[in-house]
Amino acid sequence: AQKITQTQPGMFVQEKEAVTLDCTYDTSDPSYGLFWYKQPSSGEMIFLIYQGSYDQQNATEGRYSLNFQKARKSANLVISASQLGDSAMYFCAMKGNTGKLIFGQGTTLQVKP
Amino acid sequence: DAMVIQNPRYQVTQFGKPVTLSCSQTLNHNVMYWYQQKSSQAPKLLFHYYDKDFNNEADTPDNFQSRRPNTSFCFLDIRSPGLGDAAMYLCATSSHTGYSNQPQHFGDGTRLSIL
Repeated sequence: AQKITQTQPGMFVQEKEAVTLDCTYDTSDPSYGLFWYKQPSSGEMIFLIYQGSYDQQNATEGRYSLNFQKARKSANLVISASQLGDSAMYFCAMKGNTGKLIFGQGTTLQVKP
Repeated sequence: DAMVIQNPRYQVTQFGKPVTLSCSQTLNHNVMYWYQQKSSQAPKLLFHYYDKDFNNEADTPDNFQSRRPNTSFCFLDIRSPGLGDAAMYLCATSSHTGYSNQPQHFGDGTRLSIL
């Protein structure tokens, strides 16, 4: 069975600092994709970054990077230079052979001025 | 811009009164999904369409139905809403279920309240 675990229900970070949101996963599929989504309080789900299981390099998208450690089955999201607008719920998700997105429980990030 | 649009953004209905939520997309994706999300929880997949092929999740209540008249539109019908159905409903699309590198693109959601 596939499972995503986010162990941090809530996180605080000072504006302009970097923050790491943890995500571990479990799957027996040989090929899978890992995704991070941001959900502000307004409710929309915004796709941030993708990492494929066979990708050799960690994914980066602007201030977002994904620290992918395949042996440890972890896919942590790093946000550099946090901004007030980064305050939101963040979901880690995985897609394997079924094609369905399996979500973690989410981490609420609050950026302090 | 190509996008996923959900209407309305907020919907209030009465207990037991049927309600329909709508989703449209300009991405020309062949897969459309409906999720239910309750406060501070992860989205829960209700069902999805692969083109016209409907796929229901095993634990989706019979109270929830869906229609996809064409590629662009998909509807979520709740036949007799109960208080427990108050939630955010998210529509998403993707280009192919089989490729694990394709992200799902979400609409802004419809927040449903039951009186």
